[in-house]
Amino acid sequence: GEDVEQSLFLSVREGDSSVINCTYTDSSSTYLYWYKQEPGAGLQLLTYIFSNMDMKQDQRLTVLLNKKDKHLSLRIADTQTGDSAIYFCAVAWNKLIFGAGTRLAVHP
Amino acid sequence: DVKVTQSSRYLVKRTGEKVFLECVQDMDHENMFWYRQDPGLGLRLIYFSYDVKMKEKGDIPEGYSVSREKKERFSLILESASTNQTSMYLCASSLQGATEAFFGQGTRLTVV
Repeated sequence: GEDVEQSLFLSVREGDSSVINCTYTDSSSTYLYWYKQEPGAGLQLLTYIFSNMDMKQDQRLTVLLNKKDKHLSLRIADTQTGDSAIYFCAVAWNKLIFGAGTRLAVHP
Repeated sequence: DVKVTQSSRYLVKRTGEKVFLECVQDMDHENMFWYRQDPGLGLRLIYFSYDVKMKEKGDIPEGYSVSREKKERFSLILESASTNQTSMYLCASSLQGATEAFFGQGTRLTVV
């Protein structure tokens, strides 16, 4: 079946860039998503990319998609303490398949 | 704004009880999903529904059932709650299967 993998933890200094990586197995995915979950809350859509795109930029967020390697990344520029959360990669075919989530910790 | 509302934020139930988790969405979405979230395991799909009275098993349906009598409401049922069903349960809806899913705030269920 489909599988989505992410590293579980990332720690960065405030003001640095964060890069969260994701690999997936289903090459027929049409949409790929990044969700953010803050403590005690549900998931909130952060950004997404269509499978026919290589890159998408949205303010401080940059999504890169390498379809050949089935690799998706999310770059957060100028990371702030408010960016501390769990970030989930999700790929969509007929349903959404989620990775385990990457906990981003931002320290001064 | 799309709103997905789960009936409870926190729930404590005893082993063997029948438990109902309710979810309502207000955007006329076709698809609704139930996930459970456990540390280090991410979100695992329990059941989903793509139409009224239709349901499909997800990755971990054992011990659960669902009901979708109306388009806006999707219920998750734990027939006989067990301690290994202690988890965060998240409901979501989407217009189509592959499009953006909107999530409820989650129900943290503890089975004692």
